[in-house]
Amino acid sequence: RKEVEQDPGPFNVPEGATVAFNCTYSNSASQSFFWYRQDCRKEPKLLMSVYSSGNEDGRFTAQLNRASQYISLLIRDSKLSDSATYLCVVNREAAGNKLTFGGGTRVLVKP
Amino acid sequence: NAGVTQTPKFHILKIGQSMTLQCTQDMNHNYMYWYRQDPGMGLKLIYYSVGAGITDKGEVPNGYNVSRSTTEDFPLRLELAAPSQTSVYFCASSYSDSIPEQYFGPGTRLTVT
Repeated sequence: RKEVEQDPGPFNVPEGATVAFNCTYSNSASQSFFWYRQDCRKEPKLLMSVYSSGNEDGRFTAQLNRASQYISLLIRDSKLSDSATYLCVVNREAAGNKLTFGGGTRVLVKP
Repeated sequence: NAGVTQTPKFHILKIGQSMTLQCTQDMNHNYMYWYRQDPGMGLKLIYYSVGAGITDKGEVPNGYNVSRSTTEDFPLRLELAAPSQTSVYFCASSYSDSIPEQYFGPGTRLTVT
């Protein structure tokens, strides 16, 4: 089983719609969780950190379910500029802050 | 602040040659990392450093070496390049274990042929 698993997509989303997708992780000792976005041929950029039960940042909401070991990301009122690959990231070990990256979920927002 | 900068942006290397990828950060971060990303794949940790003079191996260290003589710089050395090292290399940095968010440089696209 992969340490961090994501549905690769693509999720084809009409502009203005809501899209949500999950990520599962295998290490129950993980303490830090993040969503990054990565545009084609660019570096990953931090979208949001996910602490405790979850948090919201504008149109983006992240939820953490420790019991079932999954994290979700919801995007409301999707914009064309939201088209990207979203990477679920979990810390493997706190010491040294080593992270494990999922393979990414591709989202395509269409007019 | 420039954040994390990497040079070069692109490079073509012949099999058996060596080269150094440069990475510099100006955010006063203690931790620095090197990742590689192959097409359609997730990022894999090559090496990391928790401070000047301290480095450790990640998941895929074979064929690479690093050094950390200053807080700002974390160069990655490829010795005897092989086609399997064709990849995009990202450098990242973070402040500490308690402030774990990592910030990435723009990447170096390396082809070994």
